[in-house]
Amino acid sequence: DIQMTQSPSSVSASVGDRVTITCRASQDISGWLAWYQQKPGKAPNLLIYAASSLQSGVPSRFSGSGSGTDFTLTISSLQPEDFATYYCQQADSFPPWTFGQGTKVDIK
Amino acid sequence: EVRLVEYGGGLVQPGGSLRLACSASGFTFSVFALHWVRQAPGKGLEHVSTISTNGNSTYYEDSVKGRFTISRDNSKNILYLQMSSLRVEDTAVYHCVKDGYAVAGTGSYLEYWGRGTRVIVSS
Repeated sequence: DIQMTQSPSSVSASVGDRVTITCRASQDISGWLAWYQQKPGKAPNLLIYAASSLQSGVPSRFSGSGSGTDFTLTISSLQPEDFATYYCQQADSFPPWTFGQGTKVDIK
Repeated sequence: EVRLVEYGGGLVQPGGSLRLACSASGFTFSVFALHWVRQAPGKGLEHVSTISTNGNSTYYEDSVKGRFTISRDNSKNILYLQMSSLRVEDTAVYHCVKDGYAVAGTGSYLEYWGRGTRVIVSS
């Protein structure tokens, strides 16, 4: 199975900050990566698919980049509703889908 | 609006059984692959099972093979997960997930998720 490693595990930031989360795959996954946001007690929400395609309805402050083994999720200007945990998921080798361990974004 | 509502979770003793269900609405149920993804307390996301549009193709994560059975009723828009021989390590919130495509594979993504139903396996 492809292993996904996110960094950092947590980040403290303020409203308005630029936040960057990285995700590394254990092997080349081309551009087949998705990002999800999860708030406590809620369902995960798809933000980005195919590494850089913004899901419909997701604010444009979210962006994704990368290919091969290294990927990035960027929040250009952190908003109060963005405090959450973010997961990456490889969509190259199925089955299984595998996820990163998550990055918690909390208030500084 | 796409809605996925899971039910059937609860407290069960080790070795017991549960059947989870997921009622879907807001999309053409029969033309999308569906998944179950679980999240143990304080942990990340784990892909448990997948079913094709007609139910003829299924996938199970290694630790649940032979114990869990995924199925779907396209006439009722319901996804099921029959769980037996439950173990303490099966304790988790189980999410029903709609794939972005008819066939789960390279490039597909987990488009819509339900809030999940909690399964607690404990004596």
